[in-house]
Amino acid sequence: AQKITQTQPGMFVQEKEAVTLDCTYDTSDQSYGLFWYKQPSSGEMIFLIYQGSYDEQNATEGRYSLNFQKARKSANLVISASQLGDSAMYFCAMREAVGNTGNQFYFGTGTSLTVIP
Amino acid sequence: KAGVTQTPRYLIKTRGQQVTLSCSPISGHRSVSWYQQTPGQGLQFLFEYFSETQRNKGNFPGRFSGRQFSNSRSEMNVSTLELGDSALYLCASSVEREFSYEQYFGPGTRLTVT
Repeated sequence: AQKITQTQPGMFVQEKEAVTLDCTYDTSDQSYGLFWYKQPSSGEMIFLIYQGSYDEQNATEGRYSLNFQKARKSANLVISASQLGDSAMYFCAMREAVGNTGNQFYFGTGTSLTVIP
Repeated sequence: KAGVTQTPRYLIKTRGQQVTLSCSPISGHRSVSWYQQTPGQGLQFLFEYFSETQRNKGNFPGRFSGRQFSNSRSEMNVSTLELGDSALYLCASSVEREFSYEQYFGPGTRLTVT
């Protein structure tokens, strides 16, 4: 089974509107973390937001918020007031603890977001 | 604060050769992870280092190895290169805080094996 599933290969959004990028995950661990990254065409991976599994409140960072629904194992990224510069590939990722100190990281296949003027 | 740096940025090697990639994490970050990104397989975790110790390794053959130095800088080595090793290799430095975990990536090394 896929650890991280992103079912939207491509998304379009009008400038200034909000958009939700879907992400579901699979883990049997109690302690884990979820990330979202942005990868523009330049190739750099930009850290956007992190949600720990024990965090009861949804993480927010500026225009980014993570809609964390633990029972449904979903961690959707919401971008409010989209800007042209938001056009990029977006990756959802998960961190699982391995042993006492290690981490294993899993990435989804990404969603390509295009913001239309 | 300077970001994660990776050298070299681009590399062309011949099948059968070996290659060493370098990563300098953000100052104060002691954890470094490596990833391989290809169009076919996406982003895959290679290994994680913390205080000079490999804490975990992904599902890659033994030709892929790495190490971390006392200043947290890390190197990744691929021996006996194969055409399929052509990829973008990304390094990330991380810091775990009380209620957060931050992971920042470098610009990557684009390896082409011919």
